[in-house]
Amino acid sequence: KQEVTQIPAALSVPEGENLVLNCSFTDSAIYNLQWFRQDPGKGLTSLLLIQSSQREQTSGRLNASLDKSSGRSTLYIAASQPGDSATYLCAVTPSPSGNTGKLIFGQGTTLQVKP
Amino acid sequence: EPEVTQTPSHQVTQMGQEVILRCVPISNHLYFYWYRQILGQKVEFLVSFYNNEISEKSEIFDDQFSVERPDGSNFTLKIRSTKLEDSAMYFCASRKEGNTEAFFGQGTRLTVV
Repeated sequence: KQEVTQIPAALSVPEGENLVLNCSFTDSAIYNLQWFRQDPGKGLTSLLLIQSSQREQTSGRLNASLDKSSGRSTLYIAASQPGDSATYLCAVTPSPSGNTGKLIFGQGTTLQVKP
Repeated sequence: EPEVTQTPSHQVTQMGQEVILRCVPISNHLYFYWYRQILGQKVEFLVSFYNNEISEKSEIFDDQFSVERPDGSNFTLKIRSTKLEDSAMYFCASRKEGNTEAFFGQGTRLTVV
């Protein structure tokens, strides 16, 4: 059974710092991995999607990497800003799922960036 | 930019009542989903829907739940005989294909009293 874990559960950094959020998954049989941002009481905003054949994806100050064989992904945030404060979720699409495309989520890392 | 729309944003219902949560997925998407997030817990998969039928459901999705695509745009989740433990945020999501980017709505917060 696929399990997704995110470390740390919470992180507090001063503005301007570069930081790394970690995600691990137990079964390497995945179609892709997606990172989301969730603001308190709000929906999930897609940040980056990495297909299983890719090693990394970049969007602005965000860079996500994927090492499928070791079951790990990282989300790198450069020059953090107070507006980056949110919970970051990673989720995988298992490949033996009949291509239904369901997502299995980690519990998230709650980031606070202090001015 | 196209988005997934959910209504209502918040619903309060009495235990034992039936509720219908509504979603309008992105128009050219073919795969539709419901997820739920109990306060402080992980986002959990409930059900996937493709080609007008359920393609996969979790063990949470028992006979109390049903989904429907009543027309070409809406996708609904019905919860019969609600229980206190059904209180959660319910998210609708859609994808163009099964392995493409998933887009989520803003959620419906269901409170059962």
